[in-house]
Amino acid sequence: AQSVSQHNHHVILSEAASLELGCNYSYGGTVNLFWYVQYPGQHLQLLLKYFSGDPLVKGIKGFEAEFIKSKFSFNLRKPSVQWSDTAEYFCAVRGNNRLAFGKGNQVVVIP
Amino acid sequence: EAQVTQNPRYLITVTGKKLTVTCSQNMNHEYMSWYRQDPGLGLRQIYYSMNVEVTDKGDVPEGYKVSRKEKRNFPLILESPSPNQTSLYFCASSLSEVQPQHFGDGTRLSIL
Repeated sequence: AQSVSQHNHHVILSEAASLELGCNYSYGGTVNLFWYVQYPGQHLQLLLKYFSGDPLVKGIKGFEAEFIKSKFSFNLRKPSVQWSDTAEYFCAVRGNNRLAFGKGNQVVVIP
Repeated sequence: EAQVTQNPRYLITVTGKKLTVTCSQNMNHEYMSWYRQDPGLGLRQIYYSMNVEVTDKGDVPEGYKVSRKEKRNFPLILESPSPNQTSLYFCASSLSEVQPQHFGDGTRLSIL
């Protein structure tokens, strides 16, 4: 069964710092990749997605992610975070008719 | 407004008392899915539905049932709830299985 790994489950950083969250998956076939964000007390919302084409994907709120096929990775980045980026971030991978989520990264941005 | 609506939002109940969590979407989406979210475990898929009358098990289907009699509705049924089903549940829908999902606001269930 495919799996999705997210490291550094808890991340604390100051405003204006750069953020990078790792996502690795185990499935070797064609995949669709997603990052979702869950703000405190809210439901998950799509940040960005990758289906094909340019492996560098830009999403909402200044986030971007890079698909590196050889490394089975889809890392999320933001050059300069804001307090409002405090949230939980989930990587999701669709492959072989199944959608799997990572365990999430809890990100806290200190003003 | 495009949305996925879950009811109830909160429920405290007792072991063995059957309950149903409703989920409705107004986007004419074909794909619908139920997840449970537990601390440190992320989201795990319970059941999904590719279309009306087509449902299949996800990763953690034990103790749950679903039905898809209409395109817009996808209720989650706990026939005999147990304390290990205490969790935060999300319903989601999408145009197709490969498209990004729209999530409901969640239902927090506590089984005593």
